[in-house]
Amino acid sequence: QQQVKQSPQSLIVQKGGISIINCAYENTAFDYFPWYQQFPGKGPALLIAIRPDVSEKKEGRFTISFNKSAKQFSLHIMDSQPGDSATYFCAASNQNTDKLIFGTGTRLQVFP
Amino acid sequence: KAGVTQTPRYLIKTRGQQVTLSCSPISGHRSVSWYQQTPGQGLQFLFEYFSETQRNKGNFPGRFSGRQFSNSRSEMNVSTLELGDSALYLCASRPNGAAGAGELFFGEGSRLTVL
Repeated sequence: QQQVKQSPQSLIVQKGGISIINCAYENTAFDYFPWYQQFPGKGPALLIAIRPDVSEKKEGRFTISFNKSAKQFSLHIMDSQPGDSATYFCAASNQNTDKLIFGTGTRLQVFP
Repeated sequence: KAGVTQTPRYLIKTRGQQVTLSCSPISGHRSVSWYQQTPGQGLQFLFEYFSETQRNKGNFPGRFSGRQFSNSRSEMNVSTLELGDSALYLCASRPNGAAGAGELFFGEGSRLTVL
């Protein structure tokens, strides 16, 4: 019940295309869903996050779509750029704890 | 503002030894958590500290321990190292008053290799 399932494991997109990464969870107590971006040799960095009271959140080229009834959420990267090439992790947690349950990660490669 | 600082960045140990990793959070952050990252298991939560108190602990054996000091700096210790402990150990700090988890700032990690 504590798992967060993430797909795909890897993703290759052409520059300008849309990258879509999906996650699913089971624990309905989760109420915070962040996405982290990690470059090689670096720690993860918060990209965007959402709470279940909204169905969508957009920040620049990055959008989270959230489906509470299906217990699924996804990250959309519009106009993907080579600089977006990184590993992306979805995560989930309960409020007031720093214990994040991470998905297994998606390695995104954007080719020019 | 300096980010989360972890030392050492790289270290090599042999089985049976112990290791201590250090983390200095962003100035003013009082909450520190630790994660283990491996290719097989991904990112897994180890501990969470706030004001020197452990608030949460992940599903790791007792060989993994940690503490936080009054200046919010934190250390984690792994005793009787096993080959499977080879991993990137990440420390993260959270701004005070942040609305729940997720708004964590990670360091670049300490990469431990156990031979």
